[in-house]
Amino acid sequence: NAGVTQTPKFQVLKTGQSMTLQCAQDMNHEYMSWYRQDPGMGLRLIHYSVGAGITDQGEVPNGYNVSRSTTEDFPLRLLSAAPSQTSVYFCASSYSGSLYGYTFGSGTRLTIV
Amino acid sequence: GQQVMQIPQYQHVQEGEDFTTYCNSSTTLSNIQWYKQRPGGHPVFLIQLVKSGEVKKQKRLTFQFGEAKKNSSLHITATQTTDVGTYFCPSGANSKLTFGKGITLSVRP
Repeated sequence: NAGVTQTPKFQVLKTGQSMTLQCAQDMNHEYMSWYRQDPGMGLRLIHYSVGAGITDQGEVPNGYNVSRSTTEDFPLRLLSAAPSQTSVYFCASSYSGSLYGYTFGSGTRLTIV
Repeated sequence: GQQVMQIPQYQHVQEGEDFTTYCNSSTTLSNIQWYKQRPGGHPVFLIQLVKSGEVKKQKRLTFQFGEAKKNSSLHITATQTTDVGTYFCPSGANSKLTFGKGITLSVRP
């Protein structure tokens, strides 16, 4: 099993550009989440999904869109990149129920110039 | 929703010293999870505690869930440089975990 795969690992964007961060998991996990991590700010939840076709907002959803058309994939879209979105982005997945922890991807380091 | 606090945000210890950190909640928790993130890495799930007073060990790490299920502790015996990183105890429903800042441990060799 590959676990949670995030692509790309690094990306530089210009202000105003759009892009999609990819996240795929092969563990048949129902739950998937996107986090961003900034220095001194910990991990902040952007969007999450409890299953295919179901998504909801986290703590910092503005400027981001998600969709969950399949169990495996949970892409994160930046609509119009801003320097404030420079961050490290982590995707994570878990089985439903309260007994299992999340598996994280290795992250995407995104810089907006 | 449930809110778990970790204080302080940073802690520095001498290699070989013991280290304990706590997560505290004002409300009763159904369970608590612990994660570790090494510098430059991604968070890794360590353990989940569910039962009141539960104690689990992983080598030099001991995790405990309080009797009232409102707090949890992580104790590291004889810290090593490999213990460096940020430790999180996220809160909220399992579908919507919020991680906060965690506690960042540095170890002086």
